Amino acid sequence: QVQLQESGPGLVKPSETLSLTCAVSGYSISSSYFWGWIRQPPGKGLEWIGSIHHSGSTYYHPSLKSRVTISVDTSKNQFSLRLTSVTAADTAAYYCARDTVPGYFDPWGQGTLVTVSS
Amino acid sequence: EIVLTQSPGTLSLSPGERVTLSCRASQSVSSSNLAWYQQKPGQAPRPLIYGASSRATGIPDRFSGSGSGTDFTLTISRLEPEDFAVYYCQQYGSSPLTFGGGTKVEIK
Repeated sequence: QVQLQESGPGLVKPSETLSLTCAVSGYSISSSYFWGWIRQPPGKGLEWIGSIHHSGSTYYHPSLKSRVTISVDTSKNQFSLRLTSVTAADTAAYYCARDTVPGYFDPWGQGTLVTVSS
Repeated sequence: EIVLTQSPGTLSLSPGERVTLSCRASQSVSSSNLAWYQQKPGQAPRPLIYGASSRATGIPDRFSGSGSGTDFTLTISRLEPEDFAVYYCQQYGSSPLTFGGGTKVEIK
């Protein structure tokens, strides 16, 4: 059974960099699939951020592309998100998920809330 | 970018009722690459439907999806108490991947 778990700081200051990691268990990232990040501002809808293949190939949402880097560490069976120059608008629950097909997310991690505030 | 519009925004229903949720795309979704997710408060989205009509693993058959092109539907044949939640559609036919704004199904 594939499980994903996000980790990282829950509070980030404006203009700084948000960094999160998603640890995957029950499946080897290097076997197949893309792996993605999705976020959800409090009380709002879902927004796809980007996805990465185990080979390192990535695709990002155009509106975030200039600030986002997603990387993969197959030795640790995890992948990571970096979002630079954050503002209050980046406050959200951040989810990692297996990006099948690609583009269809199943399963998801439980999510982690990141607040951008000084 | 494909914009997905879900309607209605909120539905107030009773257990046992049949419910139909709509998801309309601003342009055709290729290969019926459309998914539905269920989300309860404080939880991650749960995959329900992919490929417009295929149920995800473990999803009961009271959930069904249909549609193609720009018009898609999620139907719950008979609402159970655990089905009251927010439902999102998502297209993965073209990048960027996009989600609809969600439909909340609440207890009447």
